[in-house]
Amino acid sequence: GQQVMQIPQYQHVQEGEDFTTYCNSSTTLSNIQWYKQRPGGHPVFLIQLVKSGEVKKQKRLTFQFGEAKKNSSLHITATQTTDVGTYFCAGRAGGTSYGKLTFGQGTILTVHP
Amino acid sequence: DADVTQTPRNRITKTGKRIMLECSQTKGHDRMYWYRQDPGLGLRLIYYSFDVKDINKGEISDGYSVSRQAQAKFSLSLESAIPNQTALYFCATSDGSEETQYFGPGTRLLVL
Repeated sequence: GQQVMQIPQYQHVQEGEDFTTYCNSSTTLSNIQWYKQRPGGHPVFLIQLVKSGEVKKQKRLTFQFGEAKKNSSLHITATQTTDVGTYFCAGRAGGTSYGKLTFGQGTILTVHP
Repeated sequence: DADVTQTPRNRITKTGKRIMLECSQTKGHDRMYWYRQDPGLGLRLIYYSFDVKDINKGEISDGYSVSRQAQAKFSLSLESAIPNQTALYFCATSDGSEETQYFGPGTRLLVL
């Protein structure tokens, strides 16, 4: 079945440093979503990417979807302590917009002040 | 989101016991999902339902069953709990057109 791998599993940064997490799918995706889970909280939707090569920005966050629609990345510029949490990618299988999401393992981000 | 609620929020049970986790939503969404979260494994889909008459197994459905009592309610049952079912369980909903998933606050389950 479809697999979505996410790296790294953990990332520790000093406040102000940049952070990137990568997501790779074993199959072509119709779209990919990103979620953030604060410590003790539940996953919250951040963004959805649909088009090949798409790049979207939300303030300090930049999301990319690969040309082959099999990989994606989330980059945070100048991290802040409010960025701590676990970031998940979630891919929806190609060929249908009604398929279920497959989540990556998540990247746990710690930001040291 | 407060629109998706889960009960109980925490539960301790013993091996072999039957337990039900409940999920309710006021978002009016047709689609509902049950996930479990384990450290290092992310969110894994247990069951999902695209409408009241539709129930589908996810990637890890063994040992679990579900009931979709109404559009707004989706329950997850562990017929005979075992320790490796200790995990954080999330319910989620989505609108078929928007595809964003909205998660409940989670139920932390400990099976002794």
